[in-house]
Amino acid sequence: SQQGEEDPQALSIQEGENATMNCSYKTSINNLQWYRQNSGRGLVHLILIRSNEREKHSGRLRVTLDTSKKSSSLLITASRAADTASYFCATVTGGGNKLTFGTGTQLKVEL
Amino acid sequence: GAGVSQTPSNKVTEKGKYVELRCDPISGHTALYWYRQSLGQGPEFLIYFQGTGAADDSGLPNDRFFAVRPEGSVSTLKIQRTERGDSAVYLCASSLTSSGATGELFFGEGSRLTVL
Repeated sequence: SQQGEEDPQALSIQEGENATMNCSYKTSINNLQWYRQNSGRGLVHLILIRSNEREKHSGRLRVTLDTSKKSSSLLITASRAADTASYFCATVTGGGNKLTFGTGTQLKVEL
Repeated sequence: GAGVSQTPSNKVTEKGKYVELRCDPISGHTALYWYRQSLGQGPEFLIYFQGTGAADDSGLPNDRFFAVRPEGSVSTLKIQRTERGDSAVYLCASSLTSSGATGELFFGEGSRLTVL
């Protein structure tokens, strides 16, 4: 079963614009992670935010976490055509060790 | 190699046949995961190994699916009596984390299984 749901399902923007993707989840988490997947490839880890953190930055990426709303957002600033990919949020819950992935947002950045 | 290696990259088989998918994790990673991804969906958890033992196999859909990791390194996912609904990309991932909350997972490129 999917723990998270990303919104929107698909997003198309122009190069240089910012892209924002949202993730909502159902149960309390230990941490939340964002992954990127290029078409036909494996997933690549982007950033991890712990349940006691509210915001985290990595290069052009900014992630926020609101545990009261059970939601997270991923912001990609100054997007590039190479950012075109699917983006997934994934959560770790309870004392478990498994990552449960959301349904993903397909981002297309056009020149 | 430096990354997670999965073989075969593509497998086409007939309904009812037996299939094995192999995963070679990053050296030194104690945790190994199998996920299944259907077109347009997120990865779906199948099984997690900590060392040689299956710590969580709650995602295996039925008893036709089985996975092993006999020496705590390479893992094999085995599917018996394949069905058309088993067609998907099977992803393997490994992690340094030995216990507690999971850190970053490193994924392979996946094995695309097509059951005719």
